[in-house]
Amino acid sequence: EVQLVESGGGLIQPGGSLRLSCAASGFTVSTSYMTWVRQAPGKGLEWVSAIYADGGTYYADSVKGRFTISRDNSENTLFLQMGSLRDEDTAVYYCARALAPKYYFDYWGQGTLVTVSS
Amino acid sequence: QPVLTQPPSSSASPGESARLTCTLPSDINVGSYNIYWYQQKPGSPPRYLLYYYSDSDKGQGSGVPSRFSGSKDASANTGILLISGLQSEDEADYYCMIWPNNVVLFGGGTKLTVL
Repeated sequence: EVQLVESGGGLIQPGGSLRLSCAASGFTVSTSYMTWVRQAPGKGLEWVSAIYADGGTYYADSVKGRFTISRDNSENTLFLQMGSLRDEDTAVYYCARALAPKYYFDYWGQGTLVTVSS
Repeated sequence: QPVLTQPPSSSASPGESARLTCTLPSDINVGSYNIYWYQQKPGSPPRYLLYYYSDSDKGQGSGVPSRFSGSKDASANTGILLISGLQSEDEADYYCMIWPNNVVLFGGGTKLTVL
């Protein structure tokens, strides 16, 4: 059974850093397309970042240069390193798998809340 | 501001049909991309519903009823999600998505109310 479990969220001050994790089971992260999507309170979905099976990484303009997506093949885990955090980064962060060959997000985690506030 | 435009809200009665639209900007041709649709209920992550590229290239998510279908209106550069035979459980937020040039774009979402 495919499962994604996010962790690492919490309250962080503006300018701070945080690392989110997404532990996967039932499939192999390193051979999959994986993504992070966030949702600010009461708002819509916003794509954050993706990592492809070939290791290519891509980011939304809003986080480029501040966030880094990566994976640990031995732990079968996806990460999102977030830096220079801003109030507007406050959101629930979801990890999701994009299933080839059509690359729809077929499995999502339950999300982890990141609150950026002083 | 989301690049893909969705009406903020829509409503219909049980048994009726709901037609939810997703309009792409003029520099992105709807005919060139898969349009993905997701459903989200309060307190839950999004659920994948379906994708639509053409009548010969489309797919339904696992367990998604055939009442949900996709299409495109090329003249309006718009993707469409049609939900027929509305049920109370269809009340949710619906998001469209495309994935052009290594960047994922979501619509702002439509809140569907089943009256």
